[in-house]
Amino acid sequence: DTEVTQTPKHLVMGMTNKKSLKCEQHMGHRAMYWYKQKAKKPPELMFVYSYEKLSINESVPSRFSPECPNSSLLNLHLHALQPEDSALYLCASSRDPRRQETQYFGPGTRLLVL
Amino acid sequence: TQLLEQSPQFLSIQEGENLTVYCNSSSVFSSLQWYRQEPGEGPVLLVTVVTGGEVKKLKRLTFQFGDARKDSSLHITAAQPGDTGLYLCAPVPLGTSYGKLTFGQGTILTVHP
Repeated sequence: DTEVTQTPKHLVMGMTNKKSLKCEQHMGHRAMYWYKQKAKKPPELMFVYSYEKLSINESVPSRFSPECPNSSLLNLHLHALQPEDSALYLCASSRDPRRQETQYFGPGTRLLVL
Repeated sequence: TQLLEQSPQFLSIQEGENLTVYCNSSSVFSSLQWYRQEPGEGPVLLVTVVTGGEVKKLKRLTFQFGDARKDSSLHITAAQPGDTGLYLCAPVPLGTSYGKLTFGQGTILTVHP
């Protein structure tokens, strides 16, 4: 099983809303990632979790708050977002945080901020 | 900060044609990954090239890593509509922080039947 699942598939929220994106993998991977992707652009790294601890934050605004409750789950909490935050949010995982290995991506959550 | 250039940005061709996508930089990489992303999906790894001068084949796709490990190419022979998607190179710089993938600008390929 090489599947990374993400929920919801689509999300529409207002600028005052609080919502969360969820990512799950059952491959035993110990590195998990959040990326943001705008239309016709490459994914941009936001956060990296290694062994359930935040190891990389690419200067992401605090209105995005990641959380890794356990080795299988990764959340991204959203609060007071701006319309320019509308994008596809991709989650990925890889086996060993100490090595540059294949990242397995989920299908993404398409977010629209009104 | 490395300067990474992926070209072309857009490619629209007819079924059966050949094409090449390039990923170039002035920096040396320890390895380079190629991903393909289909509409509505996340990127999927196609190949990782590690050795300078390496050539890898995946059915009709041929990947080459430059001798100096500063550039790479992806060649598709007899393209099919199923090849349509966003192609991304992701070089791994020397001494990189593990897990920190930085993608090229991407090539949007459309293959018309």
